[in-house]
This record gives sequence, C-alpha cells and structure tokens, in this order.
Amino acid sequence: DTEVTQTPKHLVMGMTNKKSLKCEQHMGHRAMYWYKQKAKKPPELMFVYSYEKLSINESVPSRFSPECPNSSLLNLHLHALQPEDSALYLCASSRAGQGKGNEQYFGPGTRLTVT
Amino acid sequence: GENVEQHPSTLSVQEGDSAVIKCTYSDSASNYFPWYKQELGKGPQLIIDIRSNVGEKKDQRIAVTLNKTAKHFSLHITETQPEDSAVYFCAARISISSGSARQLTFGSGTQLTVLP
Repeated sequence: DTEVTQTPKHLVMGMTNKKSLKCEQHMGHRAMYWYKQKAKKPPELMFVYSYEKLSINESVPSRFSPECPNSSLLNLHLHALQPEDSALYLCASSRAGQGKGNEQYFGPGTRLTVT
Repeated sequence: GENVEQHPSTLSVQEGDSAVIKCTYSDSASNYFPWYKQELGKGPQLIIDIRSNVGEKKDQRIAVTLNKTAKHFSLHITETQPEDSAVYFCAARISISSGSARQLTFGSGTQLTVLP
C-alpha cells in the first residue's frame, strides 16, 4: 500500500482565519514533506520532516507552520494567509535516507482558496 | 544547485501511437530519476523511476532511458490510450555521501493529450 491521505480535500478560508491541513501515512515512512503547487507548475518544496524533526524549511513565510506529531501524521497550520497562497498543497512521504526504497509518494492534495 | 529542463511542454498524439518526453539535468551527482503522472485534480503518482547504475527500465507500456554522459533521461509510452492523458513531471535527486537524501528537483511538466 502506497497511500498518503490528506484532509480536507478543499478549503476556503479568509485572510484572518486559522485552519490546518492534515496528512497521514501508514507505510512506516520516516520522511514527510509539504509541497505547494500552483496551476500548470511543478510541486514546490516547502518543508521536510525526517524522523519527526524539521530538517528543511525552504524559506517559507511564518504564516505557514508545520507540525509532525508522530511518525504517521503531518500537519500544516495556516494563519493570516494571503490570496496568493491559494494553491494545491501536497503532502508526500518516503523512507528517510538514500538508496533503494526511498521513493516519494504523494497524497491527493488539499485545494486551498484564500479569499 | 540542480536544474532540470523538460520538453516538450505539450504533446498531442493519436491513440495507439508512442509518446516521448525528454529531460536534461545539470548536476552529474544526481543519481535517481523518477517520473510522475498527475491527472486533473489529483496528486502526482509515481509511475516509474531509474537509478544511475541502470541504462533502461521498462514496466509494461512505459519505459525510461538514462544517458549519464549526456545527462539526459526520457520517458517512453507505447500504445498510448486516452487514460494516459495527464501532466507528466520528471525529477532528479542527488544523494550525498553523508547518507541523507537530497530533495527532488522537478522539471516543468509536459501536458500529454491522447486523441481517440
């Protein structure tokens, strides 16, 4: 099973709202990722967690706050977003480290609209 | 850092014909090259990948070839079907000697349309 699940599927929020995106995997993967994808563009890496510790933050604004409560769950907390933050937010997971077997699998994404 | 260029940006083929998408990468240290298919409204799906110790890999109608000297890899889809219509992304990754995997660098994507 290579399934990564994400909730909600769609989210509309105002610029003053606080919301959270959730991601879950049960593949035993210890690396989890948040990506942002704009229409007709490739995914753009935001954060990487490795063994539940934040290992990469690609200079993402502080209005995006990631959290990894355990090895299966990844959250992205959203606060005071801007309309330009509207995008598809993708979660992915993989084994940590290099070598065979650390393919990255994506979830279906959360379509976020900021009004 | 790594740069991945992907061509063409759009590709239309007749059902049953073959489709080829090409990518070039800049960093000779890249050693893992996955291809993802993304259908409308869905997340990217890993369809095939190749590592730098292999020149070609095939899975049913899909094949990937790698030319390390030219820093070039390609996706080949034979006997295309309408359900192959999607955006395809290539990617490259460097694994550094410390044991930590570096992250994927994606190409810009190819919109493949298979005409019935």
